[in-house]
Order: sequence, then structure tokens, then C-alpha cells
Amino acid sequence: GENVEQHPSTLSVQEGDSAVIKCTYSDSASNYFPWYKQELGKRPQLIIDIRSNVGEKKDQRIAVTLNKTAKHFSLHITETQPEDSAVYFCAASTNKFYFGSGTKLNVKP
Amino acid sequence: EAGVAQSPRYKIIEKRQSVAFWCNPISGHATLYWYQQILGQGPKLLIQFQNNGVVDDSQLPKDRFSAERLKGVDSTLKIQPAKLEDSAVYLCASSQRPTKGWTEAFFGQGTRLTVV
Repeated sequence: GENVEQHPSTLSVQEGDSAVIKCTYSDSASNYFPWYKQELGKRPQLIIDIRSNVGEKKDQRIAVTLNKTAKHFSLHITETQPEDSAVYFCAASTNKFYFGSGTKLNVKP
Repeated sequence: EAGVAQSPRYKIIEKRQSVAFWCNPISGHATLYWYQQILGQGPKLLIQFQNNGVVDDSQLPKDRFSAERLKGVDSTLKIQPAKLEDSAVYLCASSQRPTKGWTEAFFGQGTRLTVV
């Protein structure tokens, strides 16, 4: 099956700085790459996704880039705020989702 | 729209006991997933249903775990007998029937299982 690796496992930034989380995947058939945010004790919730026919997608302060040749995709958060603090998971999918191990983002006020 | 419902929210059992979790997906969602999330790790897919048929159960420990989705709607996940290492949050998720291979998965609140 698919193998998704995610880095870094923890990330601490100052409020207002940018944060970047990177993922790689192994199955070239994967064609959908969602990013989920999970706050402590809550369910994972989709924040942005990208499909394999697109190289970049942006939604306000959040952007995702995809390099299919290299099999990696990244989440970019600009102008970070304390409420961005959470665990972020990437996933690679055809019709089943394989998740990365998560990145704990801490935004310091 | 109503989200994915799971129950119970919390469960504490002794090792070797049995336990069952219930999931009601979003109405109309043909695909249902059960994930195991151990503290500090990403969700691990245990089993995926398409309607009431199993699509993938390759990571389900079948000697102790079982799952069913009767009538293609609700699903139950059972562990019998439980081991200490089964302590985790069990997440249910659902999505619409994949057509082009991409579709968002919606998660329930999860059931936190503690085996003592």
C-alpha cells in the first residue's frame, strides 16, 4: 500500500511567521492529497486539498503545492496565528486515505 | 448537514474483555472507513467499506478485530479479546462514492479506548 512520510514531527514558530510542512508518498497512482487539522481531543478536519492535475492551490493564508514527479507535497501557512496551533496530517489517496504521522505546530504569541 | 456519529465517546475495559464501537456515517455516503489513532501518531486505516462490501481490510488484525456494515449504512467495529496495545482512539470516517478517485473524508469524534 501507500507509504506517506511527513516532516517535521514538531514545528514551533513565532506568531506572524510562516510554517511549512512537507510530505512524500510512494504510490504514483495517488491522485488526491488532503491536509487535515486536528485540535486536541477533536476530530481531524479538512483544511485544504489538492488534486493531481493541479500544482498549487491557495486559500487565504494556507497554500498547498504538489510535485508529482518527485512525489512530494507541502503545506504552507503564512502569517501564523496562535489558533493555528494543532496537529496537521497530510494524506495521499486514490479512494482510500493513507495518513502521514502528523506535525505538531506550536505558534507562540 | 449532520456529521459522522460515533458511540461511545469513551470506553475503559480490562485486557481480554470485548468491546464494540458504533458508527453512523453521513447520509448518502457509500464509503466508510475505520481508523485507529494511537497517541502521537497519524490515523491508521483498519478497514474500508464500499456500501456493505469490504474494499480493504489488509491492516485489520483479524484474529481479534472484526467489523461489519449491514445494509450499507451503520457499522460496528469489535475487538475480542482486547490487548493493552489496542488503547487508542478509533475514528470512523465516511465519504461519497469515489468517481474520479478523489473525495473528502469526514471524520466522527472518535471513541477513546483505554485497555487496563
